[in-house]
Amino acid sequence: TQLLEQSPQFLSIQEGENLTVYCNSSSVFSSLQWYRQEPGEGPVLLVTVVTGGEVKKLKRLTFQFGDARKDSSLHITAAQPGDTGLYLCAGTLQGAQKLVFGQGTRLTINP
Amino acid sequence: DSGVTQTPKHLITATGQRVTLRCSPRSGDLSVYWYQQSLDQGLQFLIQYYNGEERAKGNILERFSAQQFPDLHSELNLSSLELGDSALYFCASGQSYNEQFFGPGTRLTVL
Repeated sequence: TQLLEQSPQFLSIQEGENLTVYCNSSSVFSSLQWYRQEPGEGPVLLVTVVTGGEVKKLKRLTFQFGDARKDSSLHITAAQPGDTGLYLCAGTLQGAQKLVFGQGTRLTINP
Repeated sequence: DSGVTQTPKHLITATGQRVTLRCSPRSGDLSVYWYQQSLDQGLQFLIQYYNGEERAKGNILERFSAQQFPDLHSELNLSSLELGDSALYFCASGQSYNEQFFGPGTRLTVL
């Protein structure tokens, strides 16, 4: 059983569309991170959220941490082919000092 | 470029053999984390070293071991290799466990 469930697992949309990826858990996390991974490369950290209800923006990407710190979402506006990749959420359980990762959402943006 | 280096990039070996993966962290980072990424298990935390000492353990098999040297580089040793050990192995470093920077990975193929 995955501690962090990501949905959808696969998403293929057209350039210019908006999308949201979800990361859910029944556990409380002290922080959540989002990474993007491209084929043959390591995950690249996009953002860390630590406060319940926190919203962070990175250009066309908006990240939100749930009020109860059990879930997070990533919203992309006007998706571009360069956004294609595997998006991973990762979190640190309260009292723990290690990251647990979701299974990832494989996003494909078609020109 | 995350600043984390890993060698080799690819490794092909036979069942029952032993291999060593090497990682150099970003300059100034004292922590090194090792992860295994496979298609069915996703990204799994193996072990963390901090300034030469083991700090946290994840789902690391007894056949696997790691160490961190005085110059802070780390090695992950995998022995008695099985077909199921074929995976991508990533090293990460960072100032804190909730902000990690990943290397490019080593792709291990066990035949």
